[in-house]
Amino acid sequence: AQSVTQLGSHVSVSEGALVLLRCNYSSSVPPYLFWYVQYPNQGLQLLLKYTTGATLVKGINGFEAEFKKSETSFHLTKPSAHMSDAAEYFCAVSLPYSGTYKYIFGTGTRLKVLA
Amino acid sequence: DTAVSQTPKYLVTQMGNDKSIKCEQNLGHDTMYWYKQDSKKFLKIMFSYNNKELIINETVPNRFSPKSPDKAHLNLHINSLELGDSAVYFCASSSRGILVRDTQYFGPGTRLTVL
Repeated sequence: AQSVTQLGSHVSVSEGALVLLRCNYSSSVPPYLFWYVQYPNQGLQLLLKYTTGATLVKGINGFEAEFKKSETSFHLTKPSAHMSDAAEYFCAVSLPYSGTYKYIFGTGTRLKVLA
Repeated sequence: DTAVSQTPKYLVTQMGNDKSIKCEQNLGHDTMYWYKQDSKKFLKIMFSYNNKELIINETVPNRFSPKSPDKAHLNLHINSLELGDSAVYFCASSSRGILVRDTQYFGPGTRLTVL
């Protein structure tokens, strides 16, 4: 089945440390991949996306992700965590569905940043 | 200017009642969606409309009825509310129609609590 897996429902990092949030997908077609961030009591905000072309994509707030087809991965990184990065992060893949496309979301990773 | 807006933000009601959630987007998008986020933060699509036409209808109880009066609005009516309907409901929109995989933009969510 086509799906998205986010390893680690909770990740804690120290302020200034590297952030690495993992996302693996399965898809029978070339995937379109997205990372969204959800701050407490808010909606989802797009961080970055991969469609075609360059496999390293840069997003807002210093985040970037690399599409690795051989590993079916799209991990999210940030070199230096900031307290304001504490939030829930969702990976999603856009897949064909009944003549259109729909998102399949991963189960989310809650990022905690320690002072 | 708010791109995707939802009303109300919070909705507390008794079991058995009927309630509606409204969604409006001012992005000029053709496609709109309803998602349900459960208590474990899992996001799942419920419905999708393109130019007022229903194109995705997931396995959702008949008590849930979406209605799109025009392509800028997608409302969700829920009859005979049950405890299990308690969740956060997100509206989203995307621009380029059903045959294109496009970024979805999310509203702030409506937190529904059924007592």
